[in-house]
Amino acid sequence: DTAVSQTPKYLVTQMGNDKSIKCEQNLGHDTMYWYKQDSKKFLKIMFSYNNKELIINETVPNRFSPKSPDKAHLNLHINSLELGDSAVYFCASSLRGSYNEQFFGPGTRLTVL
Amino acid sequence: QKEVEQNSGPLSVPEGAIASLNCTYSDRGSQSFFWYRQYSGKSPELIMSIYSNGDKEDGRFTAQLNKASQYVSLLIRDSQPSDSATYLCAVNERYSTLTFGKGTMLLVSP
Repeated sequence: DTAVSQTPKYLVTQMGNDKSIKCEQNLGHDTMYWYKQDSKKFLKIMFSYNNKELIINETVPNRFSPKSPDKAHLNLHINSLELGDSAVYFCASSLRGSYNEQFFGPGTRLTVL
Repeated sequence: QKEVEQNSGPLSVPEGAIASLNCTYSDRGSQSFFWYRQYSGKSPELIMSIYSNGDKEDGRFTAQLNKASQYVSLLIRDSQPSDSATYLCAVNERYSTLTFGKGTMLLVSP
């Protein structure tokens, strides 16, 4: 199926641990994103990559490090996890440009204990 | 700071009625506007995009854009209980990134 996929779907971990979330899209898009949706359901952009290059880096702690090995993949590594990192993380993709629609992956629910 | 404002709701309508969801945005340079539907525990699903002033219809959904008033709306005709969800308004910013509103929860009662 053509889609944006993420793994894992759920992640439960202890404070201080390091974890990674993976995202892949087979839609032929050249731009990928990470969004964070907090407990109040507010969806906010974290990072945007175009053709493996970082183009947007919002005010996100440097414990978060995205990596894009190719334009179909965008991973998110989080060091030294904190309680406040608990949220749902969504990957999305689109073609670059103001008029292009973004499609979201299923999300990864991260719980930090 | 660029903002997208939505009434959080819930907006309650009876089955078969028209649901009207509204959104205002602050960046006059915004060029594209999107409505996403998000069911509880699921990811946002794109339902409408609009780029020009006026109305755009797709099935039971109509998006309306008024750039002069910086206003976007979504009408859902013949609302069904399955339409009950949170509706997110999103506005294009820079480099294809979207700024989302906080969403309006719609409840359609049978």
